[in-house]
Amino acid sequence: QQQVKQSPQSLIVQKGGISIINCAYENTAFDYFPWYQQFPGKGPALLIAIRPDVSEKKEGRFTISFNKSAKQFSLHIMDSQPGDSATYFCAASISNFGNEKLTFGTGTRLTIIP
Amino acid sequence: DSGVTQTPKHLITATGQRVTLRCSPRSGDLSVYWYQQSLDQGLQFLIQYYNGEERAKGNILERFSAQQFPDLHSELNLSSLELGDSALYFCASSAPGAQETQYFGPGTRLLVL
Repeated sequence: QQQVKQSPQSLIVQKGGISIINCAYENTAFDYFPWYQQFPGKGPALLIAIRPDVSEKKEGRFTISFNKSAKQFSLHIMDSQPGDSATYFCAASISNFGNEKLTFGTGTRLTIIP
Repeated sequence: DSGVTQTPKHLITATGQRVTLRCSPRSGDLSVYWYQQSLDQGLQFLIQYYNGEERAKGNILERFSAQQFPDLHSELNLSSLELGDSALYFCASSAPGAQETQYFGPGTRLLVL
């Protein structure tokens, strides 16, 4: 059961461009939506997260846009750099003790080309 | 560096064997989560412990078990290993009051031959 759907599977963006990765969820009980960045051979690293009471959150070049009615959220990477080349995972969880397990999307392999 | 440590980094073993993966959470974190990452299944939640007690269970096989010790480190035991158990196993930890914010360790890469 795929509760968090992520697209695209892979993405190639030119340096300086905007990278956009989309996720959709099914379970309306989800109330915490983090994005993780993973480099080869490393563990996922928390990048940015949002709760459904706001529609957008920005941290540096990274922005999450959230659409509660559509049950969708997306990651925007502005001014994409070669160092951003990694796999990105969206995730969702419920902030209820014992239910905080993360349900992950399938990942997007992002490549930034010069 | 997330502050979560995992050992060993790599593990190669044979089918039918048993292995133990170890995780030390960040200082002050009481929750430990185990996840499996494989090419076909992606990142899947296995089990969660909170302050020594099992709190939630996911898609964890009966051949797998885990525990969290009084010093809060956790071990994931995998037995009767099969080829399909080859994967990356990650441990994550979170702080009391911020359970949903999970920090991942570097993982253990298990190869079953």
